[in-house]
Amino acid sequence: DAGVIQSPRHEVTEMGQEVTLRCKPISGHDYLFWYRQTMMRGLELLIYFNNNVPIDDSGMPEDRFSAKMPNASFSTLKIQPSEPRDSAVYFCASNWGGNEQFFGPGTRLTVL
Amino acid sequence: GENVEQHPSTLSVQEGDSAVIKCTYSDSASNYFPWYKQELGKGPQLIIDIRSNVGEKKDQRIAVTLNKTAKHFSLHITETQPEDSAVYFCAASPSGGSNYKLTFGKGTLLTVNP
Repeated sequence: DAGVIQSPRHEVTEMGQEVTLRCKPISGHDYLFWYRQTMMRGLELLIYFNNNVPIDDSGMPEDRFSAKMPNASFSTLKIQPSEPRDSAVYFCASNWGGNEQFFGPGTRLTVL
Repeated sequence: GENVEQHPSTLSVQEGDSAVIKCTYSDSASNYFPWYKQELGKGPQLIIDIRSNVGEKKDQRIAVTLNKTAKHFSLHITETQPEDSAVYFCAASPSGGSNYKLTFGKGTLLTVNP
């Protein structure tokens, strides 16, 4: 199994631009999680899905952030417009309803 | 909501020594406590976990202990090796039902000096 796949691995953009991060969970997993990691705040859960339906988005920082899961094998996290304080590593994780979450390699986002 | 505190933030040990990382949690409903290891440039990876009906769990050089009354749990690594150098995160979660939210501690940077 290839594990959780994220793209791009690195993204550098300018303030005000739209950013789209992508995730392919492990096949058969029915939960998908988006996290943000920064030095100041650590690992924060942004949103998670079960069977493609958003269950809890209380961690999404503001309306500039949105996430979708159109099917069981694909999810996106979009930031529009991006700001320098959005710079972080964004992780996607998945599991099958047990508690172990399998993390992807992350996308390092830099907003100039 | 749940709050997880982790200490120390950095830990440096000599190869062969033991390392202990401690976490406390606030929500008495939490009953699943995993530990993740994150190497540079990679995502966190589960190394061991414990549920509230168990007080201690071991896996080779790694052990985790849980004190539900005091709401704290600890990671113990014995006979440390340079490849144990990484950032370690504790987390807590209510288990079962539809709630699989993990709340993470801020992490401990462990350095094992050869």
